[in-house]
Amino acid sequence: GQQLNQSPQSMFIQEGEDVSMNCTSSSIFNTWLWYKQEPGEGPVLLIALYKAGELTSNGRLTAQFGITRKDSFLNISASIPSDVGIYFCACPFSLYAGNAGNMLTFGGGTRLMVKP
Amino acid sequence: ETGVTQSPTHLIKTRGQQVTLRCSSQSGHNTVSWYQQALGQGPQFIFQYYREEENGRGNFPPRFSGLQFPNYSSELNVNALELDDSALYLCASSSPTGGSQETQYFGPGTRLLVL
Repeated sequence: GQQLNQSPQSMFIQEGEDVSMNCTSSSIFNTWLWYKQEPGEGPVLLIALYKAGELTSNGRLTAQFGITRKDSFLNISASIPSDVGIYFCACPFSLYAGNAGNMLTFGGGTRLMVKP
Repeated sequence: ETGVTQSPTHLIKTRGQQVTLRCSSQSGHNTVSWYQQALGQGPQFIFQYYREEENGRGNFPPRFSGLQFPNYSSELNVNALELDDSALYLCASSSPTGGSQETQYFGPGTRLLVL
């Protein structure tokens, strides 16, 4: 099946530091998504990337869609305590031609811990 | 706009029992997808319902089944529960666009513990 490999698995950083995490795949995807999940909540979409080479920002978050369409990275600048959570990459795929909707395949997540 | 809601929030069952989890989709969304998230892992796609029919299924056995109702709410049923079914079950709703820019919105999940 399709697999997304995320690294690192966890990070413990000091408040104010920058963070970088990435996601790779053996398959080509046309869309890369980055979600954040906090305890007791479902994943929340942070950034969506639709074009190879695209660089997109959302506040202190910046994500890039790799030119090979097999990878993506997410950077967080000047981390703050509320950045704590698990960050997932995800890519949509269709099981069958003509599917009405897309399904998502997720990476294993990067757990971010921020020390004040 | 009402977000995705799920019930119950937590549930404890024993092996061999059956469980039903419920999801109400976000207003205006006609597609519901279910995911299983084991502890320390990313969500795994179970199946998707569109207009009351199963639209796609991941690698889960037939004892995982679902329903979608005319108001687009959905149920996930799991029969003959096993210990490995312990997980967070997430529901996501969306409105298909026919392209890759469709966004799925997740509910808070139901945490199931099988003893």
